Amino acid sequence: NAGVTQTPKFQVLKTGQSMTLQCAQDMNHNSMYWYRQDPGMGLRLIYYSASEGTTDKGEVPNGYNVSRLNKREFSLRLESAAPSQTSVYFCASSEGGGWGNQPQHFGDGTRLSIL
Amino acid sequence: AQSVAQPEDQVNVAEGNPLTVKCTYSVSGNPYLFWYVQYPNRGLQFLLKYITGDNLVKGSYGFEAEFNKSQTSFHLKKPSALVSDSALYFCAVRDMEGWGTTDSWGKLQFGAGTQVVVTP
Repeated sequence: NAGVTQTPKFQVLKTGQSMTLQCAQDMNHNSMYWYRQDPGMGLRLIYYSASEGTTDKGEVPNGYNVSRLNKREFSLRLESAAPSQTSVYFCASSEGGGWGNQPQHFGDGTRLSIL
Repeated sequence: AQSVAQPEDQVNVAEGNPLTVKCTYSVSGNPYLFWYVQYPNRGLQFLLKYITGDNLVKGSYGFEAEFNKSQTSFHLKKPSALVSDSALYFCAVRDMEGWGTTDSWGKLQFGAGTQVVVTP
């Protein structure tokens, strides 16, 4: 019963490098999300996908791109990493179109450091 | 625009004592309210939600929360805290006013989190 799986769990990058964070869910959820968590700021939404084939910007999308590869997978790409993107990144999923009363289910996060 | 505030960065409580974690919110319309818990190096786990109906909501692990519309609050409570309740707690709100008309509509807004420390 995996739920939401994120890879990698840890990553260190140099400024300017690129990388893709992977996320997969096995709950047949329609909606998927990417958040970043920074101390004292809670979680901030980067991008979301209300259903397969759609993606939209969240609160802090600059410097990121996403791909909803299929219903299970939603990846987050940093094209040119910057130190300000050092954070813990969480992927989540939920039933329905994402705007109802269903809770979101979270992965265990990717801890990303950019030097 | 919606917002949510958790006024306490940390709450300290002795095991066996009541635990309260405060949350206040601001929305244009009717709110959907959620509480999540985060243990070290883990993702957030859903505890409970308020959508409509009874103002007292019961959730996982013996937690409950009371929705107070006049005070715009949704405080999390547990009658008798356990050491294993030590974790980071997040309140979240979703504003359901004005279907699809604003960028923030329907999105989940998280508070900054409250660290709960339960001592033996």
